[in-house]
Amino acid sequence: NAGVTQTPKFRVLKTGQSMTLLCAQDMNHEYMYWYRQDPGMGLRLIHYSVGEGTTAKGEVPDGYNVSRLKKQNFLLGLESAAPSQTSVYFCASSPGTMTYEQYFGPGTRLTVT
Amino acid sequence: RKEVEQDPGPFNVPEGATVAFNCTYSNSASQSFFWYRQDCRKEPKLLMSVYSSGNEDGRFTAQLNRASQYISLLIRDSKLSDSATYLCVGFHAGNMLTFGGGTRLMVKP
Repeated sequence: NAGVTQTPKFRVLKTGQSMTLLCAQDMNHEYMYWYRQDPGMGLRLIHYSVGEGTTAKGEVPDGYNVSRLKKQNFLLGLESAAPSQTSVYFCASSPGTMTYEQYFGPGTRLTVT
Repeated sequence: RKEVEQDPGPFNVPEGATVAFNCTYSNSASQSFFWYRQDCRKEPKLLMSVYSSGNEDGRFTAQLNRASQYISLLIRDSKLSDSATYLCVGFHAGNMLTFGGGTRLMVKP
């Protein structure tokens, strides 16, 4: 049981490049989330999903897109990377509305130059 | 104003000391709260849940004061391994979490 995994662990992009971050969970959780963490800002929710095929915007969705084609996977896309998107990205999952605990992946460190 | 606010610290305490952190929240509709622990360059992990007035787990005690809108975390008999950043988190309807910026604790020998 790997829990929540994220790919890649590190990435350096140039401004304007695109990339996709992959999150996978093997706990059969309904809910999945993408956060970014910046110094002094805490974790901020980018997008989330309450089930396969559904996504919704969080607090800071601009510049990102997401897809949840399979229950176990949640993809975060950056179409045209900007230096302001330099951050640590965490994926998380939770069972659903009756259990609030979120389980986090190890994070992806992204630098945009 | 941030929805969940914490003193960033760092709190530097000697091993064996008792230390307390406070966290204030502005959304009175927040239903429950959590303390997560985050080690340097690692993911957050749940430390304690606070659904009513408080919770205790070994050396850790969390208390919720809804009238004053704050949550506290008390750590007794601090260990070197307690050194980490502690994140205060509020829960809203729709399974959304709002994170504070974290309080850094450094326990010294």
